[in-house]
Amino acid sequence: ETGVTQTPRHLVMGMTNKKSLKCEQHLGHNAMYWYKQSAKKPLELMFVYNFKEQTENNSVPSRFSPECPNSSHLFLHLHTLQPEDSALYLCASSQAVGATYEQYFGPGTRLTVT
Amino acid sequence: AQSVAQPEDQVNVAEGNPLTVKCTYSVSGNPYLFWYVQYPNRGLQFLLKYITGDNLVKGSYGFEAEFNKSQTSFHLKKPSALVSDSALYFCAVRDILRNSGNTPLVFGKGTRLSVIA
Repeated sequence: ETGVTQTPRHLVMGMTNKKSLKCEQHLGHNAMYWYKQSAKKPLELMFVYNFKEQTENNSVPSRFSPECPNSSHLFLHLHTLQPEDSALYLCASSQAVGATYEQYFGPGTRLTVT
Repeated sequence: AQSVAQPEDQVNVAEGNPLTVKCTYSVSGNPYLFWYVQYPNRGLQFLLKYITGDNLVKGSYGFEAEFNKSQTSFHLKKPSALVSDSALYFCAVRDILRNSGNTPLVFGKGTRLSVIA
């Protein structure tokens, strides 16, 4: 449960604010992911990092900007968000990006854009 | 393109009874299949996976799942449900044909399981 941590757990921000979400994994994994979870919709993969290099950007708007300074830390910088961006943002990690590896998730940040 | 379907939004079962949460998939090649569980205010937790080998896979908390290639299904099962099993369950699939570097995990919409005492 504490293998992947996320802060803050809850965030309320206005449409003109700038904020950042933080994720840290203590599992020695090399791949990290950002997902968006909205009510009644499947999880949406946003970004994938493998050994600190971004390997996938799933057509995410530029108001979301990821940063991965090392294999243990992942950030999601937010600016000029829209109300429809309100969701649970989940961070995950896996040993690598290979198909057989399961992902381990953090508890998420509940984001509300007002 | 790969996809996964969970046909039931909600499953209700009495405590002590067997439970089944259904999942069907569609891939171009052979699938890697996963089940995750999400408890309230928590992230997803890995339960079990099918990669190859025995079609019956055993996982955490007494859960198991059976891979059925002819029916393209991977239903999650437990012989005796507990109230504490009440949660949101997600099935996910990867297509082995895309096993070259990035292999996005495609999730179903989730099935809410309620176990009633």
